[in-house]
Amino acid sequence: QVHLPQWGAGLLKPSETLSLTCGVDGGSLSGYYWSWIRQPPGKGLEWIGEINHSGATNYNPSLKSRVTISIDTSKNQFSLKLSSVTAADTAVYYCARDLEGLIEYWGQGTLVTVSP
Amino acid sequence: DIQMTQSPSFLSASVGDRVTITCQASQDISNHLNWYQKKPGRAPKLLIYDVSNLLRGVPSRFSGSRSGTLFTLTIASLHLEDFATYFCQQYDGVPSFGPGTTVDFK
Repeated sequence: QVHLPQWGAGLLKPSETLSLTCGVDGGSLSGYYWSWIRQPPGKGLEWIGEINHSGATNYNPSLKSRVTISIDTSKNQFSLKLSSVTAADTAVYYCARDLEGLIEYWGQGTLVTVSP
Repeated sequence: DIQMTQSPSFLSASVGDRVTITCQASQDISNHLNWYQKKPGRAPKLLIYDVSNLLRGVPSRFSGSRSGTLFTLTIASLHLEDFATYFCQQYDGVPSFGPGTTVDFK
């Protein structure tokens, strides 16, 4: 069973950089894409981007200029950085495992609030 | 970008009801369509992948179908644990989700 614990700061000020990390327990990084998805309060899910074990990335064009997803294969974990955050970035952020479009395993979610 | 719309946004139902949720893609996405169930405070749960394939462990009262760019999730007989929000997701291009359909108690 794959478990994706995630952690990171939950309260940010506008213009700061969001930073979250997701561990991969019980499975290999190889053969999958590792994704970040968010859900603003009262809204739907938004795909942020993904990375594979080789470091190849794909980003949502709407966030691409501010997003960096990285992977550390030695620690079996991957990370999200989102720069210049605003209140619109307030959301629950999820890490997840993507196998050819199927997102079967999810982290527990981290509420990130952007407030002055 | 591929846009996904869902109908209805909210649905009031009772245990035992047959529930149908639709998801419309703005363009052809082939069979690249999944359905998720989400409950407050929990991560989404994949129910159906590639239009009509149930993930292992998902009850057979759930089913999915496709007609062109219109996709349908059906719950044959609603159980108490099925009251939740349902999202469709396409992965033909940049992955995107529908806005969700909340199934609430009538």
